[in-house]
Amino acid sequence: QSVLTQPPSVSAAPGQKVTISCSGSSSNIGNNYVSWYQQLPGTAPKLLIYDNNKRPSGIPDRFSGSKSGTSATLGITGLQTGDEADYYCGTWDSSLSLWVFGGGAKLTVL
Amino acid sequence: EVQLVESGGGLVKPGGSLRLSCAASGFTFSNYNMNWVRQAPGKGLEWVSYISSSSTYIYYADSVKGRFTISRDNAKNSLYLQMNSLRAEDTAVYYCARALYGSGTSCYDYWGQGTLVTVSS
Repeated sequence: QSVLTQPPSVSAAPGQKVTISCSGSSSNIGNNYVSWYQQLPGTAPKLLIYDNNKRPSGIPDRFSGSKSGTSATLGITGLQTGDEADYYCGTWDSSLSLWVFGGGAKLTVL
Repeated sequence: EVQLVESGGGLVKPGGSLRLSCAASGFTFSNYNMNWVRQAPGKGLEWVSYISSSSTYIYYADSVKGRFTISRDNAKNSLYLQMNSLRAEDTAVYYCARALYGSGTSCYDYWGQGTLVTVSS
């Protein structure tokens, strides 16, 4: 059972938009920055979004992040088959004093 | 180009030990805090351990506390994880990950390709 809750799977058609939610509490998302990671099949995780809504160099603006209260959302527009991956949210938990991840959401581009 | 390359994984019996290494290049290793994160087969990500740039601060997940030891050698640009008293539930791909910021609450901006540890009799 992960501290952060994500839907196990999401899907959408190529070219469409999808959002992936990440729900937590005041001890984690509510008071700390959220980051998002993309894990393509058989590869290591890759940082997509940090500090709730910032994109590292090289990440296309099709990827966006937002946070409201104790929830965060990853948005992906203009879906491509190459976006099929597992997506994880992560943040610091001030009560547990450790870094926590969501359980991951598997994106299928139909 | 930032590169993190893990090594040292393999098959080990329950109760055994293993030492993982992570060789860093493409950045000033001694300026960055580092972490180990693991992923059990078919499961999600789990943070394992953190070490600050000068080894002053070290933290562990409860699941490995007392059994795993993180360390680093800044002269060799290397990060290590000594794993003792291994259990079946430690079976996972172990990633080394660089902290983006200089605090213990930072996210991870670069990850290695991972090394698989299998604990089985």
